[in-house]
Amino acid sequence: ILNVEQSPQSLHVQEGDSTNFTCSFPSSNFYALHWYRWETAKSPEALFVMTLNGDEKKKGRISATLNTKEGYSYLYIKGSQPEDSATYLCAFSRDSNYQLIWGAGTKLIIKP
Amino acid sequence: EAGVAQSPRYKIIEKRQSVAFWCNPISGHATLYWYQQILGQGPKLLIQFQNNGVVDDSQLPKDRFSAERLKGVDSTLKIQPAKLEDSAVYLCASSFGTGGRYEQYFGPGTRLTVT
Repeated sequence: ILNVEQSPQSLHVQEGDSTNFTCSFPSSNFYALHWYRWETAKSPEALFVMTLNGDEKKKGRISATLNTKEGYSYLYIKGSQPEDSATYLCAFSRDSNYQLIWGAGTKLIIKP
Repeated sequence: EAGVAQSPRYKIIEKRQSVAFWCNPISGHATLYWYQQILGQGPKLLIQFQNNGVVDDSQLPKDRFSAERLKGVDSTLKIQPAKLEDSAVYLCASSFGTGGRYEQYFGPGTRLTVT
């Protein structure tokens, strides 16, 4: 059974602080790792699709790193803002024809 | 570019009743997915279509769930009869291609409550 684990389950962060959270996945047969942001009452939205070990991707104040050999990815948010409050989901694929396996998400709440 | 459309947004039914959800993917996207997301869990793939053919329905409870994608565009997901454990958010997504490297575009979801 393939498992994708995300930690922590939830996180309260003061506005202006930086934060990070983790996605762990099986290190064998890696194909791709996705990060999505899901704000309340909105549609989940793709942040990054990562495919290479050592990959680093950035979108504004949000960045992600990937370590396929040890099976983890970090998502970083610099200078958190209230609009960053959302659930952050990661999803793992082991080959080109395999479905995405999703983590349960990290719920981030930014306190003003 | 219009996003993925879903309806209804909310639905409350009693157990043993039937319900149907509709999805219109982004124009030109060949792949369509239906996910079930139960509170506190990650989305679970129910069925994946490539055009109007089924690619993966291994986790679809076929005794009560059915889905179709006529003409390779719109799709409907039906539950008949519903059980209490079907209470969840049902997400539709589409992507340009099939395979794990394609970004998926999601609709807003349908929140189903079965009482």
